[in-house]
Amino acid sequence: DAKTTQPPSMDCAEGRAANLPCNHSTISGNEYVYWYRQIHSQGPQYIIHGLKNNETNEMASLIITEDRKSSTLILPHATLRDTAVYYCIVFRGGGSNYKLTFGKGTLLTVNP
Amino acid sequence: GAGVSQSPSNKVTEKGKDVELRCDPISGHTALYWYRQRLGQGLEFLIYFQGNSAPDKSGLPSDRFSAERTGESVSTLTIQRTQQEDSAVYLCASSLRVGGNQPQHFGDGTRLSIL
Repeated sequence: DAKTTQPPSMDCAEGRAANLPCNHSTISGNEYVYWYRQIHSQGPQYIIHGLKNNETNEMASLIITEDRKSSTLILPHATLRDTAVYYCIVFRGGGSNYKLTFGKGTLLTVNP
Repeated sequence: GAGVSQSPSNKVTEKGKDVELRCDPISGHTALYWYRQRLGQGLEFLIYFQGNSAPDKSGLPSDRFSAERTGESVSTLTIQRTQQEDSAVYLCASSLRVGGNQPQHFGDGTRLSIL
């Protein structure tokens, strides 16, 4: 699976949108972009995933550039409970590819 | 709840004892995965199940580790003769099927401490 690059940390004011970037310049055509987050002492929480098109669910929006080499996770109205480490993962799945590989992620701190 | 459930949430045991960790996946999920997360480190894949079969056990650290799944539901990870290096959070995840378009949903893990 392609590697990803994320900033180590970001800050966001409560109530504002949090935009978390991710670079995945070596992504292949059949690889999905996944976002998870992990709050201290909890298991990773699935947020959203996409292949080519932008995606939105009740938690977040995922914007993937046309060349698919980067993406942005958007939390539209960040709350204090959104403080967590956010992981961007490129994942093909199927065959022998079923292991999720988490990098170092971005520590998002939402400030009051 | 409807999520992945793991028990116990915490387990403290003495070196040399055997431990059993349980995972109840989301109902209807055919794929189940076990990972390990040591303090301050990333996830380490251990084993996955497709139905009740484990096609890939290559991530199990040693022959002291084993896992089974029954009824395409509950899975148990067993560690025999525990060692201090086994101390970690053991995470279970499940997905509807194996595939790129199939998110893995995680439980909150079992925190295992070996004294």
